[in-house]
Amino acid sequence: EDKVVQSPLSLVVHEGDTVTLNCSYEVTNFRSLLWYKQEKKAPTFLFMLTSSGIEKKSGRLSSILDKKELFSILNITATQTGDSAIYLCAVWFSGGYNKLIFGAGTRLAVHP
Amino acid sequence: ETGVTQSPTHLIKTRGQQVTLRCSSQSGHNTVSWYQQALGQGPQFIFQYYREEENGRGNFPPRFSGLQFPNYSSELNVNALELDDSALYLCASSSLAGGSADTQYFGPGTRLTVL
Repeated sequence: EDKVVQSPLSLVVHEGDTVTLNCSYEVTNFRSLLWYKQEKKAPTFLFMLTSSGIEKKSGRLSSILDKKELFSILNITATQTGDSAIYLCAVWFSGGYNKLIFGAGTRLAVHP
Repeated sequence: ETGVTQSPTHLIKTRGQQVTLRCSSQSGHNTVSWYQQALGQGPQFIFQYYREEENGRGNFPPRFSGLQFPNYSSELNVNALELDDSALYLCASSSLAGGSADTQYFGPGTRLTVL
């Protein structure tokens, strides 16, 4: 069965810390992996990763994909309270139609 | 903001009732996918509509049904509501279906509570 597993499920850090969120997957017909940030309701898009070993960066956030070991990490450096959110990892399944298979998410709390 | 809108934002129903949720996709997008997100879980794929036809379905019973209109907006209908249907329902739009891994953009969701 196709699945996406995220760890840890929750994380509490202090402002300024660096965090690493993990995502492993077992998905047939893998096309790409996406990271989303969910604060209140709508998940907002962060990154889409298709190729192994190529780091994507946006400010203090960065992410990389390892297609051989079937995992991705999301790094956040110099965390701020505004980074507090649920971070969702999702993998594109493509088998006649496209759907995203999501992990359960990592709930990150950044304390002042 | 993604340009994807959903209505209503909140809804309270009782068991056995029926509900219709609405979604307007982002301009230029012809594919709408619906997801159910229960508390503490990631979104689960319900189904996808492409050019007014169902294009794929997850593990949800037939009482979950949908429509897509010529302007690509969409409805999710749930009949015979059960307590476990309480969740955040997310709509996502994208510009392609089948064969292309495009980014999906999510609406703000509808929070459904079934009592």
